[in-house]
Amino acid sequence: NAGVTQTPKFQVLKTGQSMTLQCAQDMNHEYMSWYRQDPGMGLRLIHYSVGAGITDQGEVPNGYNVSRSTTEDFPLRLLSAAPSQTSVYFCASRTGAEAFFGQGTRLTVV
Amino acid sequence: AQRVTQPEKLLSVFKGAPVELKCNYSYSGSPELFWYVQYSRQRLQLLLRHISRESIKGFTADLNKGETSFHLKKPFAQEEDSAMYYCALSGPSGSARQLTFGSGTQLTVLP
Repeated sequence: NAGVTQTPKFQVLKTGQSMTLQCAQDMNHEYMSWYRQDPGMGLRLIHYSVGAGITDQGEVPNGYNVSRSTTEDFPLRLLSAAPSQTSVYFCASRTGAEAFFGQGTRLTVV
Repeated sequence: AQRVTQPEKLLSVFKGAPVELKCNYSYSGSPELFWYVQYSRQRLQLLLRHISRESIKGFTADLNKGETSFHLKKPFAQEEDSAMYYCALSGPSGSARQLTFGSGTQLTVLP
């Protein structure tokens, strides 16, 4: 059972470039979310989805887009990368109480 | 708005000493509280949740609604407990289920 799979693990972008972080889960969870992890700030919610076709903004949504066309996939798009988006990104899926996390994507924007 | 506060960014204790990681929350209603742990080079994973009232790896946490706290405790710390610990909160089942995290506490257990 793969759980939550994120790709890529590492990425370097130039300012202004766009890219998509991929997230897939094989546990048939309805609830999925994206967080960014920054030193001293913990995990902050970017976007989340309560099911296919339904997405909503979290605490820090600016500069990011998401879509949820299937239950399994929840990609995160950076529209025009900025140095402030340098962070570690985590995707999570959830059923009931427990959230399951991907291994993270370390993104650097130069 | 729901909020989780972890006042200690760093905490160091010696092996065998008791450890307490503090967590306070703000939520209008009856939240669910969790502790998540991230060991070096591993994924974030659930350590325990208040509704199950269990002890995991010797850790316990009691929800104190009067003080709006959910402190994590262990009577005798071990070196393998060194990790980043996050306190988290969500609304009760059936409500908005956003999981809100605190800023985390890096625990180091010294030999």
